Amino acid sequence: GEDVEQSLFLSVREGDSSVINCTYTDSSSTYLYWYKQEPGAGLQLLTYIFSNMDMKQDQRLTVLLNKKDKHLSLRIADTQTGDSAIYFCAERRGGSYIPTFGRGTSLIVHP
Amino acid sequence: SAVISQKPSRDICQRGTSLTIQCQVDSQVTMMFWYRQQPGQSLTLIATANQGSEATYESGFVIDKFPISRPNLTFSTLTVSNMSPEDSSIYLCSAGTGENTEAFFGQGTRLTVV
Repeated sequence: GEDVEQSLFLSVREGDSSVINCTYTDSSSTYLYWYKQEPGAGLQLLTYIFSNMDMKQDQRLTVLLNKKDKHLSLRIADTQTGDSAIYFCAERRGGSYIPTFGRGTSLIVHP
Repeated sequence: SAVISQKPSRDICQRGTSLTIQCQVDSQVTMMFWYRQQPGQSLTLIATANQGSEATYESGFVIDKFPISRPNLTFSTLTVSNMSPEDSSIYLCSAGTGENTEAFFGQGTRLTVV
């Protein structure tokens, strides 16, 4: 299987919460990231979490990390149409400066 | 943070030709990378661009096909040589320092080979 796995699509109604899930395989991961890619654009770092944390909150974004299960999630509260994008989970392993990316989850927000 | 500018942002090229993509960072960075993002796929690392020396290529990528330059700490180029339709993809430049936790990305170059 892939090193970082995400579901490919998520559809939510405007105003609801979105939860994007990610699993990874390497227990030596030190940093885990969420990037956002809007159409025709590069990747924008949304947030990251250290492997010794289990939660990080930043305005509408909440990141939860279950290190035992190697599961990472990104919750977007009050999802807006402007949140429609592809969200990439990435992990960086100890001793490496190069993150490994998942295939991305396409978030579709409809009225 | 670092702001990364890539150009061109998109191009349509004839097969058999070559395209050079430029990446400019607004501050000195330790590390620069080139990624390929094929439709519906994740980002695949092509190579690490090393300042003043040959790039370090990942498995499946070779210098003859993807020559890379990095003459200083803020600039790099990636050339896609002898292009075929299979090279149609988005190419992304990324940069960061070893001490930072973040990798910054350019807006990408969307390449279509016809």
